[in-house]
Amino acid sequence: SQTIHQWPATLVQPVGSPLSLECTVEGTSNPNLYWYRQAAGRGLQLLFYSVGIGQISSEVPQNLSASRPQDRQFILSSKKLLLSDSGFYLCAWSVGQAIGDEQFFGPGTRLTVL
Amino acid sequence: GENVEQHPSTLSVQEGDSAVIKCTYSDSASNYFPWYKQELGKGPQLIIDIRSNVGEKKDQRIAVTLNKTAKHFSLHITETQPEDSAVYFCAAPSNSGYALNFGKGTSLLVTP
Repeated sequence: SQTIHQWPATLVQPVGSPLSLECTVEGTSNPNLYWYRQAAGRGLQLLFYSVGIGQISSEVPQNLSASRPQDRQFILSSKKLLLSDSGFYLCAWSVGQAIGDEQFFGPGTRLTVL
Repeated sequence: GENVEQHPSTLSVQEGDSAVIKCTYSDSASNYFPWYKQELGKGPQLIIDIRSNVGEKKDQRIAVTLNKTAKHFSLHITETQPEDSAVYFCAAPSNSGYALNFGKGTSLLVTP
């Protein structure tokens, strides 16, 4: 069966510090991978998606970047965190060539920037 | 990109009553509409989805209806139970064809 892992589960970082959140998927090959952010009281905002190794698409301009060094690994990074980067970060995966397949979400990372 | 509007933002019902959440979308070419349920501190989970070739789909106490002409779709939960309390999100495909645009969510509270 497939599983998705995210770590860390919670993170408190000072403004201006770097960030690295990791997501890995097990039990499937060549998944589509996604990073979402959920700010308090708001919906899910798609940040990045990837359809293959080294292929990253950004949905919104921001202070963050993403990388996919391996087929089932997706990393979210920042060189200098802002207060507005606080939120609940969710990684997700799906399979298939186009939309219409279920997206499976990880447990999330709660980031607080102070 | 696809604009998904969701209403209401909060909904409180008594146990046993029905709950209805509505979403509208802007891209008439959209053809896949999932609903996700998110419990506190967890990631969202798919509960039901509908494709544009059908107007309604049911799964026990949950149903989704789709009106392509009006570009809206709705989630119906009947005989609500306290464990239905959660945040519910609707979604529609983004222009990229790979990602989903989510509504802002509805916080449902079912009181005993």
